[in-house]
Amino acid sequence: RKEVEQDPGPFNVPEGATVAFNCTYSNSASQSFFWYRQDCRKEPKLLMSVYSSGNEDGRFTAQLNRASQYISLLIRDSKLSDSATYLCVVRVTGFQKLVFGTGTRLLVSP
Amino acid sequence: GAGVSQSPSNKVTEKGKDVELRCDPISGHTALYWYRQSLGQGLEFLIYFQGNSAPDKSGLPSDRFSAERTGGSVSTLTIQRTQQEDSAVYLCASSFTFINRDTTSGNTIYFGEGSWLTVV
Repeated sequence: RKEVEQDPGPFNVPEGATVAFNCTYSNSASQSFFWYRQDCRKEPKLLMSVYSSGNEDGRFTAQLNRASQYISLLIRDSKLSDSATYLCVVRVTGFQKLVFGTGTRLLVSP
Repeated sequence: GAGVSQSPSNKVTEKGKDVELRCDPISGHTALYWYRQSLGQGLEFLIYFQGNSAPDKSGLPSDRFSAERTGGSVSTLTIQRTQQEDSAVYLCASSFTFINRDTTSGNTIYFGEGSWLTVV
C-alpha cells in the first residue's frame, strides 16, 4: 500500500464550480500535512498547510481527519488558472522527509 | 539568489556516462532534499541532508547514485554509469529543520526548478 494515495483524476470542471479532492495516508504517526500545486513541467509549490482544526485560504479549504487518516482540499469558484496537479504531502513524526502522493490533476474549462 | 538554484537545467547524456547535478539551497536552510520525478509519475524521495550529513539516504535507487553536501550549503548528486531508466527530472529542495512538535504548519520545503536528465 502506498504511503499517500490520491485519485489521479483528471477532474474536469467548468469555471465557477466547486471541486474537492481527498487523500489518504497509511502511517498513523504522520504529523504534518500539506497540499502542493504542480503546474506542467514545473516544480511543486506549496499551496497550503493543513491544520488539525481545518483551515481556509481564500477559495481553498483544507481539512484533516486523523481518525480516518485522510485530508481533503476544497476549491470554490474554480478559475482557469487553477488547472494543475494537486499533490497531497505528509511528514511522519521523527522523519524530515516529505512523502508525496502522485497527485490529482484538475482541468478547469471555460 | 532568493530561491533554490539547480544546474544544469537540462542535460542529455549517453548511456554509461557519469553525470553531476548541483543544488544551491536557500541561504540559511539547514535541510536539503533530493527528489526524482519521472514523466507522469509522482515525486520519489532520494536523500535528505541535515547540514553536511545524510541521516536518510533510503531512497537512493542503487549504488550508482551518491550525493554529498559541503559547507552546509551546496549539494551534488552524482549518477555513475547512467542508464535510460535514470531519465527524469531531479528536484532539489531545502528547508529549515522541521521541529518535532505537533506544529500546525511546520517549516515547508521549497523546490528548485529541477535538472531534466535524458539518457540516450
